[in-house]
Amino acid sequence: NAGVTQTPKFRILKIGQSMTLQCAQDMNHNYMYWYRQDPGMGLKLIYYSVGAGITDKGEVPNGYNVSRSTTEDFPLRLELAAPSQTSVYFCASSYVQGAVPTYEQYFGPGTRLTVT
Amino acid sequence: KQEVTQIPAALSVPEGENLVLNCSFTDSAIYNLQWFRQDPGKGLTSLLLIQSSQREQTSGRLNASLDKSSGRSTLYIAASQPGDSATYLCAVRNAGGTSYGKLTFGQGTILTVHP
Repeated sequence: NAGVTQTPKFRILKIGQSMTLQCAQDMNHNYMYWYRQDPGMGLKLIYYSVGAGITDKGEVPNGYNVSRSTTEDFPLRLELAAPSQTSVYFCASSYVQGAVPTYEQYFGPGTRLTVT
Repeated sequence: KQEVTQIPAALSVPEGENLVLNCSFTDSAIYNLQWFRQDPGKGLTSLLLIQSSQREQTSGRLNASLDKSSGRSTLYIAASQPGDSATYLCAVRNAGGTSYGKLTFGQGTILTVHP
């Protein structure tokens, strides 16, 4: 299994441009998450999904959109990029089942985005 | 709103020392707590997960404890090695029907183990 994969690894965007960060997992996990990590800080949740067709906002959703058309893929869309969106973006997934799931999350390697 | 704090922010120790990393959280109504390791430029690797009903978990040289009532967790690393150098992140899952496993992270402790 490849686990959680993210593309691209690095990207530089100009202010106002748009792009999609790709995330895929091959573990048949039902839950998926997007986080951002700013320098010297912990991760903050942007959006999450509990299954195909179901998404919801996290702590810092402004400026982002997501979709979940399949179990495997969870792309993150940035519209009108701003310098404040310069960050490292991590995608994660977990398999949630049973009465007392752990929700343990498995993370991708991240996408480093710079907006100038 | 849950807040997670990690102390110290950075730690530098000689090889072989036993060390303790601290994590505190403001809302004791947690579901579980997870410790992660992050190497520079890499993603997060899960080290230990402690359910709210547990007091500690062990994996090799790592031992994590949880005191839910006081809002604290510690990660103990025995006989540290240079390969343990990384950032260690503590993250908490709140209890509650709509939490969907969302994690609240601390800012991390940067550990350097020198030979």
